[in-house]
Amino acid sequence: DAGVIQSPRHEVTEMGQEVTLRCKPISGHDYLFWYRQTMMRGLELLIYFNNNVPIDDSGMPEDRFSAKMPNASFSTLKIQPSEPRDSAVYFCASSQDKPPYGYTFGSGTRLTVV
Amino acid sequence: DAKTTQPPSMDCAEGRAANLPCNHSTISGNEYVYWYRQIHSQGPQYIIHGLKNNETNEMASLIITEDRKSSTLILPHATLRDTAVYYCIVGTPSFISNFGNEKLTFGTGTRLTIIP
Repeated sequence: DAGVIQSPRHEVTEMGQEVTLRCKPISGHDYLFWYRQTMMRGLELLIYFNNNVPIDDSGMPEDRFSAKMPNASFSTLKIQPSEPRDSAVYFCASSQDKPPYGYTFGSGTRLTVV
Repeated sequence: DAKTTQPPSMDCAEGRAANLPCNHSTISGNEYVYWYRQIHSQGPQYIIHGLKNNETNEMASLIITEDRKSSTLILPHATLRDTAVYYCIVGTPSFISNFGNEKLTFGTGTRLTIIP
């Protein structure tokens, strides 16, 4: 199993541009989570899906952020327009509703908005 | 609102057992204790979880007090590769929760440094 795959690994963009982060969860996992990590705020849950349906998006900072999961094998997190304060490492994780229950995280996307 | 309290940092000599404490005095009856770690620049890694009984796997042991208000993660023979931030989290897994309670909230964790 290749694990949770995120792309790109690094993204540098100019303020105001649209950014799309991608995630492929582990096959068969029912849940997909998007987290953001910064030095100041640590790991924050942005949104999570169950069976492709968004369940809780209360962590999404503002309307500039949106996430979709069109099918069980793909999810995107989009920021439009991007701002310097969005600079962070964005992690995707997936889990299943049966043992083992732990989350499997991807390697993350390091986003820098200049 | 943090549900757990952990020391910000700890050191442990290589080859010795690393004992990482966690307080979760407000844990509710159906909440589990989860441990994850994050090695520098990597995504967090699941270690172990438990409800009330002690648990052991190939990575670590989890000791939960009888009143469930605290727990200890034990790495039996720490190596340099165990240097990481360790997160103790309480949460309700999806198989027993009401729908929508599956998310895990990470705190600030304990930065464990293994000393050669």
